[in-house]
Amino acid sequence: GIQVEQSPPDLILQEGANSTLRCNFSDSVNNLQWFHQNPWGQLINLFYIPSGTKQNGRLSATTVATERYSLLYISSSQTTDSGVYFCAVEYNNNDMRFGAGTRLTVKP
Amino acid sequence: NAGVTQTPKFQVLKTGQSMTLQCAQDMNHEYMSWYRQDPGMGLRLIHYSVGAGITDQGEVPNGYNVSRSTTEDFPLRLLSAAPSQTSVYFCASSYSARFYSQTQYFGPGTRLLVL
Repeated sequence: GIQVEQSPPDLILQEGANSTLRCNFSDSVNNLQWFHQNPWGQLINLFYIPSGTKQNGRLSATTVATERYSLLYISSSQTTDSGVYFCAVEYNNNDMRFGAGTRLTVKP
Repeated sequence: NAGVTQTPKFQVLKTGQSMTLQCAQDMNHEYMSWYRQDPGMGLRLIHYSVGAGITDQGEVPNGYNVSRSTTEDFPLRLLSAAPSQTSVYFCASSYSARFYSQTQYFGPGTRLLVL
C-alpha cells in the first residue's frame, strides 16, 4: 500500500520563528489534506491541496503531485500553533491514509 | 449545528465484551468515516460510508462492524473487544462522498481501554 512519511517527527520552536513541515508519499494520490490536532485532541482541517499552493493567514501549503510531496509552512509561529500536524492522502477512492505526524512545540 | 458528536467520551471494557460507539452529524453530510489513533501514529481508516445504506472497509476493518441506516448516524460496533483495540476513535464527516472536494469535520473522539 501507499506510504506517507512526514518530517521532522518533532519540532521545537521559539515563538515568532518560521518552520516547514514535509509530507512525502510513495504513489499517485487523488488528493491531499493537512490537519492540525491541538493538545486537547481536536482535529481541524487546514488545507485541502491536491496540487499548487494555498495560503491562509500565517499558514501556507504547497503540493507538487508529480514529485509526490507536500510542504506546510508556518510563519511567525505562536504558542497556539502547538500540536501535531498530519497530512492525509486519498488513495484508491475514499481510502484515506495518514502520515505519523509532526509534533510541533512553540515556546513563549 | 452541533457538528459531529461522539458518545461516550471514555469507555473501559473487559476482553470479550461488546459495545457500540455512537457518531452523529447534523450537517446532512453524505460521507462518514471511523478512524482509530494509536500513540505515535496517524489515524487509520476503519470503515467509511458514502451514503445511507452503503458502507465499505478501510485500512483496518477487522474486529469492527458498521451500518448506516440514516444519513445522520454511523455507529461502530465492537463485537468482542480485544486489548489490541485500545485506542482513541474518531468519527468524521464531509458533505460529499468525494473526499477531495470537501473539508472533513472530526468529532471529539472516544477513548477506549480494553483490559
